[in-house]
Amino acid sequence: DAGVIQSPRHEVTEMGQEVTLRCKPISGHDYLFWYRQTMMRGLELLIYFNNNVPIDDSGMPEDRFSAKMPNASFSTLKIQPSEPRDSAVYFCASSFQGGEQFFGPGTRLTVL
Amino acid sequence: AQSVSQHNHHVILSEAASLELGCNYSYGGTVNLFWYVQYPGQHLQLLLKYFSGDPLVKGIKGFEAEFIKSKFSFNLRKPSVQWSDTAEYFCAVNLYNQGGKLIFGQGTELSVKP
Repeated sequence: DAGVIQSPRHEVTEMGQEVTLRCKPISGHDYLFWYRQTMMRGLELLIYFNNNVPIDDSGMPEDRFSAKMPNASFSTLKIQPSEPRDSAVYFCASSFQGGEQFFGPGTRLTVL
Repeated sequence: AQSVSQHNHHVILSEAASLELGCNYSYGGTVNLFWYVQYPGQHLQLLLKYFSGDPLVKGIKGFEAEFIKSKFSFNLRKPSVQWSDTAEYFCAVNLYNQGGKLIFGQGTELSVKP
């Protein structure tokens, strides 16, 4: 298996623009997680899905952030409009039945 | 609220020194415990995990961790570190009744001098 796939790996955008991050979980995994990592706040869970259904979105910082999982093999995290304080590395992870989480390579987002 | 605390933010060791990184969690129920490692510029990888059974678990690259339930601790150890162990280490807890949700500690940056 190729592991968790994220795209793009790097994104540089200007404040106010819409940003869409994509994730393909490991085939057969039923949990998908979105994390944000910054120097100041460390690793934060933003939202997670079970069988494509959002279970806990309490970590989503604001209404500017939204996440979807239209099917078992694809999820998006959207920021609209983006702000400089959204600059971070965003990780997607997946797991089977809540066990070990496998992380993707991350998307490094820079908002100018 | 549940939390995970890692005592050391930055540890500097020389090669061959022994390592112990502290991790404590605040939750009285059943937990699964993990240590993840993040090498510079890379994503998180699992070092080891504890779900049940022997509280002393062995992971990859010579790492081990001991779950002490009475102390709510899951400390990571390695008898002799190498320069290649330079990385950030994260302790994480999965609460049994909250599906797959992981709560991470703040991370400990380990620098090993050659």
